[in-house]
Amino acid sequence: EDKVVQSPLSLVVHEGDTVTLNCSYEVTNFRSLLWYKQEKKAPTFLFMLTSSGIEKKSGRLSSILDKKELFSILNITATQTGDSAVYLCAVNTDKLIFGTGTRLQVFP
Amino acid sequence: SQTIHQWPATLVQPVGSPLSLECTVEGTSNPNLYWYRQAAGRGLQLLFYSVGIGQISSEVPQNLSASRPQDRQFILSSKKLLLSDSGFYLCAWSGRAGVSHEQYFGPGTRLTVT
Repeated sequence: EDKVVQSPLSLVVHEGDTVTLNCSYEVTNFRSLLWYKQEKKAPTFLFMLTSSGIEKKSGRLSSILDKKELFSILNITATQTGDSAVYLCAVNTDKLIFGTGTRLQVFP
Repeated sequence: SQTIHQWPATLVQPVGSPLSLECTVEGTSNPNLYWYRQAAGRGLQLLFYSVGIGQISSEVPQNLSASRPQDRQFILSSKKLLLSDSGFYLCAWSGRAGVSHEQYFGPGTRLTVT
């Protein structure tokens, strides 16, 4: 059975800290891995990763995929209170299989 | 630009009552459409997806059904709600072509079955 596991389940940090969120997967027919940020309602798209070792960056957020070890990490540097959200990892195998998410809380 | 709408935003229904949640997409044609449920503290679970009008694939056996009467309309229904149907329901769409499977989510409907 395909599965996606995220860790940690929750994380509490102070503004300015750097955080690393983890996503590991065991799936057949891997196509891509996606990261989403979910604040109050709809998840919003952050990154899609298809190749190992190529870092995707968007401002203070970056992500990388390791297809040999079957995991991805999402880094957030210099965290801000607006980064507080649930971060979802999903693997595309013709459909998206989501992890349970990591809840990040950033306090001033 | 594309937009996706869902309604209602919140719903409180008694056990045994029927359900109809609607999702519409604007600004794109022939989208793939998806219904997900997110229970408290759990990830998104894919319930149904559709690649075209009248074409519905069910991912998990359940008390719910889906229909796609028009290209950009996706409806989630139940004849009799159960307590376990409570959750946050999200509709999403994606384009058809290539390996890109980036999905765009609607604002969601929070359903509480009492």
